[in-house]
Order: sequence, then C-alpha cells, then structure tokens
Amino acid sequence: GAVVSQHPSRVICKSGTSVKIECRSLDFQATTMFWYRQFPKQSLMLMATSNEGSKATYEQGVEKDKFLINHASLTLSTLTVTSAHPEDSSFYICSARRPAKYEQYFGPGTRLTVT
Amino acid sequence: DAKTTQPPSMDCAEGRAANLPCNHSTISGNEYVYWYRQIHSQGPQYIIHGLKNNETNEMASLIITEDRKSSTLILPHATLRDTAVYYCIVRANRDDKIIFGKGTRLHILP
Repeated sequence: GAVVSQHPSRVICKSGTSVKIECRSLDFQATTMFWYRQFPKQSLMLMATSNEGSKATYEQGVEKDKFLINHASLTLSTLTVTSAHPEDSSFYICSARRPAKYEQYFGPGTRLTVT
Repeated sequence: DAKTTQPPSMDCAEGRAANLPCNHSTISGNEYVYWYRQIHSQGPQYIIHGLKNNETNEMASLIITEDRKSSTLILPHATLRDTAVYYCIVRANRDDKIIFGKGTRLHILP
C-alpha cells in the first residue's frame, strides 16, 4: 500500500516554543492531506484539511493561528504548533488521499510532549 | 458526529475468528462502510471497505446486511498482532473527511 511518513516521530519542547511536524506521501502525490490529534485513550479528532496550494480548512474549535498548516507541494504538508503549552501534548497523525482514489493512508504519528 | 455504533471492547481467543459488529442504521445510499484499525501508538491502517456486497481481502472479510443498517468485520484467524482498536466508518466516496468514532478495542487472548 501507499506510504505516508511523519517527522519527527517524537518531540519534546518547552512551553512557549513552536514545533513543526512534517507529513510526506512517499510514493504518490497527494492533493489533500489531513491532520488529526489523539489524546490518550481517545479517538482521533480531525483538526484540519490541507489542500495543496491553498489555505487549510479547519474544523470547528481548532485555532488556525495556533496550528499553522502549510501544504506547499504535492508530497509535503506541515503542521506547526505555535506557542505550545502542556495541554497541546498529544499524538498528531496525518493522512493523505491519493488522487482519484478513495482510501486514505495514515502516517505513523508524532508524539508531542510540551514541558 | 460518527454515524456508527460499535461495542467498546471485545475479546477473542487466538486462532479463532474475530467478528466485530457495527451498526449504521442511518447510512445513505451513496455511503460506503470502511474499516480501519489502530495498533497502539501507531497510525490507523486501512482494512477493507464495501457498499452493499460482501467483500474479502487478504486481511479480512466484510459482511453487510441486506438493509445495509449493520455490518460485521471478520478476522478469520486472529493472532496476537490483531490486538488493536477497530473503527467502523460510514462515508461517501466523494467525502474527503474521515470522522472516527470510539471504535472497538479488540483483545486477542493467547
């Protein structure tokens, strides 16, 4: 199946700093990528839809100025958590949709810990 | 909101078939039933999807009732590596979004 990677797999940052997470589709071009957040023992929550070359669409309740999404190429989307706080500590997962296909392929996730 | 209802947890003995039910009584005619699973601390993995006919692939079988209001995912010979949270999702193919419910936590018992 298609491969989606994320970098880094784990990151620890200090409160008040920003951290960038990359999501790459390795063997296909993804016009649409998605970002999810998952807290312990909870399900995945969709944060935003990222479209190549245009602004991301955020789900209700997700602060667009705090979670900056950039989808500058067909194989790369980035999520930047700005001014991170301990409550932003979570498991962040991206997914990518192959054009003309309906399956979505998920990355392995990035565990963010804010101290 | 998720459009499906699943039991929160299930146990299955290793080597036996695991049958995971899902209710989706409000499914629309153009909506497919998708199954994903998430092994601990990993991203979700696609398993199978179907519209109204039963489907089978190398991982599992999907049985959809004739009225399409419920379905069952079957793992024919469960192994310890099948321990995961299984998500049943109803979605039209034109929809980009996947909205996850709470899923079923499947424990495979040795």
